[in-house]
Amino acid sequence: NAGVTQTPKFQVLKTGQSMTLQCAQDMNHEYMSWYRQDPGMGLRLIHYSVGAGITDQGEVPNGYNVSRSTTEDFPLRLLSAAPSQTSVYFCASSYRTTGYGYTFGSGTRLTVV
Amino acid sequence: GQQVMQIPQYQHVQEGEDFTTYCNSSTTLSNIQWYKQRPGGHPVFLIQLVKSGEVKKQKRLTFQFGEAKKNSSLHITATQTTDVGTYFCAGGNYGQNFVFGPGTRLSVLP
Repeated sequence: NAGVTQTPKFQVLKTGQSMTLQCAQDMNHEYMSWYRQDPGMGLRLIHYSVGAGITDQGEVPNGYNVSRSTTEDFPLRLLSAAPSQTSVYFCASSYRTTGYGYTFGSGTRLTVV
Repeated sequence: GQQVMQIPQYQHVQEGEDFTTYCNSSTTLSNIQWYKQRPGGHPVFLIQLVKSGEVKKQKRLTFQFGEAKKNSSLHITATQTTDVGTYFCAGGNYGQNFVFGPGTRLSVLP
């Protein structure tokens, strides 16, 4: 099993550009989520999904969009990149929202200039 | 909303010394999880605690869930350089997303 695969690993964007961060898991996990990690602030939840066709907002959703058309894939879209979105982004998945450990992807380091 | 705090923020220890990090939630939890993130890496799930007063051990790591299910601790005995990283706790309630603490960064001097 590959686990949770994130692409790309690194990305530099110009302010105003849009892009999609890809996340795929092969563990048949129902729950998937996106976090951003900034120095000293831990992991903050952006969006999450409890199953195909279902998405919801987390703690810091502004400027981001998600969709869940299949169980395996959960892409994160930056609509119009801003320097404040410079961060490390992690995708995570689990069997359920709670009760099971999260499996994290290796992360995407995004810089917006 | 629920808040999860961790202390200390940073800890520097000499190899062989013990280390403890504490996690406190503003609300009662149904379960708590611990993760380790190596420098430049991603968080890796270590363990989940569910019962009040529960204690679990993984080799040199001891995890404890408080009686009131609002706090938890991770204790490492005789640290090694391989223990370097940031340790996160995550507080959970049924049907809700886990809330991660800010983490404790551990450095181990050889």
